[in-house]
Amino acid sequence: QKEVEQDPGPLSVPEGAIVSLNCTYSNSAFQYFMWYRQYSRKGPELLMYTYSSGNKEDGRFTAQVDKSSKYISLFIRDSQPSDSATYLCAMSRLQYQAGTALIFGKGTTLSVSS
Amino acid sequence: ETGVTQTPRHLVMGMTNKKSLKCEQHLGHNAMYWYKQSAKKPLELMFVYNFKEQTENNSVPSRFSPECPNSSHLFLHLHTLQPEDSALYLCASSPTADSDNEKLFFGSGTQLSVL
Repeated sequence: QKEVEQDPGPLSVPEGAIVSLNCTYSNSAFQYFMWYRQYSRKGPELLMYTYSSGNKEDGRFTAQVDKSSKYISLFIRDSQPSDSATYLCAMSRLQYQAGTALIFGKGTTLSVSS
Repeated sequence: ETGVTQTPRHLVMGMTNKKSLKCEQHLGHNAMYWYKQSAKKPLELMFVYNFKEQTENNSVPSRFSPECPNSSHLFLHLHTLQPEDSALYLCASSPTADSDNEKLFFGSGTQLSVL
């Protein structure tokens, strides 16, 4: 079983839709959870960072962690064409986000049509 | 822009060629990284440099040779590559590689094709 599973999509939604992106993981030691956004022909950029279980909201984005189910989600409300990108989940046992402690999912490609 | 610049943006090379990828960061960071991104695969960490010292080599074949002359510059020297090495090579930096709550800043990558 892979450490982090993420459906690559693609996922296509109309503008204004609520988008749900998800990852599951197998290592219960993961405590720090991140979502990166990667536009075409660009590198990933950190979008959301959460620790342990619970929700974190930032504008139209909400990150949710359910450690009991080993499941994390990113919700995008009122999706816009500018949200079209690949979203990568990442997680770590350690508080610092770098090095081999950071494990990425494959990424889900999202397309929002106007 | 993220403050991390990679050149070239695209590279096509034969299996017998030698080429180098360059990364420069203008963020005053002390840690730099090489990642490989292949289609339908997770980001793979290749090398980590912290204060110019290589701290991680993630079982990368010797045909990939990193060089970090100072904290702002990172190179990846390539020789006798295989077609399966075709991928997007991403450079990243962070303040250090072992402190709390630091995030990675990625460059736009070099899209490498090995013929």
